[in-house]
Amino acid sequence: DTAVSQTPKYLVTQMGNDKSIKCEQNLGHDTMYWYKQDSKKFLKIMFSYNNKELIINETVPNRFSPKSPDKAHLNLHINSLELGDSAVYFCASSPVGAGSNEQFFGPGTRLTVL
Amino acid sequence: AQSVTQPDIHITVSEGASLELRCNYSYGATPYLFWYVQSPGQGLQLLLKYFSGDTLVQGIKGFEAEFKRSQSSFNLRKPSVHWSDAAEYFCAVGGHTSGTYKYIFGTGTRLKVLA
Repeated sequence: DTAVSQTPKYLVTQMGNDKSIKCEQNLGHDTMYWYKQDSKKFLKIMFSYNNKELIINETVPNRFSPKSPDKAHLNLHINSLELGDSAVYFCASSPVGAGSNEQFFGPGTRLTVL
Repeated sequence: AQSVTQPDIHITVSEGASLELRCNYSYGATPYLFWYVQSPGQGLQLLLKYFSGDTLVQGIKGFEAEFKRSQSSFNLRKPSVHWSDAAEYFCAVGGHTSGTYKYIFGTGTRLKVLA
């Protein structure tokens, strides 16, 4: 009955590798997000998709490419990983519409780049 | 553009004591305001939210927050803290920037509870 799930929970990899993080929500929401939380716990939005359409793309390197095969999934692919990509990545979803909507967060994926 | 400031990086209180976590925001219109809690190794959970109506908002786990427009604040309070409240607390403001709705999070306040 998990609302927003992410896989994997932990990801350890070498610099230069390509990796993907998957996110799925079973809440029927139209909007999904990716956030990056750095070592100081600062949360910053990276991307937002509404019904498979990209609506927010913050100043994220183009090594990061989100993919939304359907409105229940938003995956994050990262090419040529760098040390600075080490962080916790959170997926979230919310119903479409007015901005008062709550965002529901996944448990996070801790990415460590060696 | 909207912004959120949480002035206290760390706060330590004794179990049973009262708690107030500060949040100040900047936004041109009436914002949507949220408080989230993040327990160690976990995702974020919504405690409460405000977007209109009564300026004193009740949330889960005995938390409440008061919206004060004149002070651009949305402080979180709890009358008696429990050891399980130890966590990171994030204030967030939702609003439209350049035609797009987004959340901006504060930098968080880490709460430590002494037995």
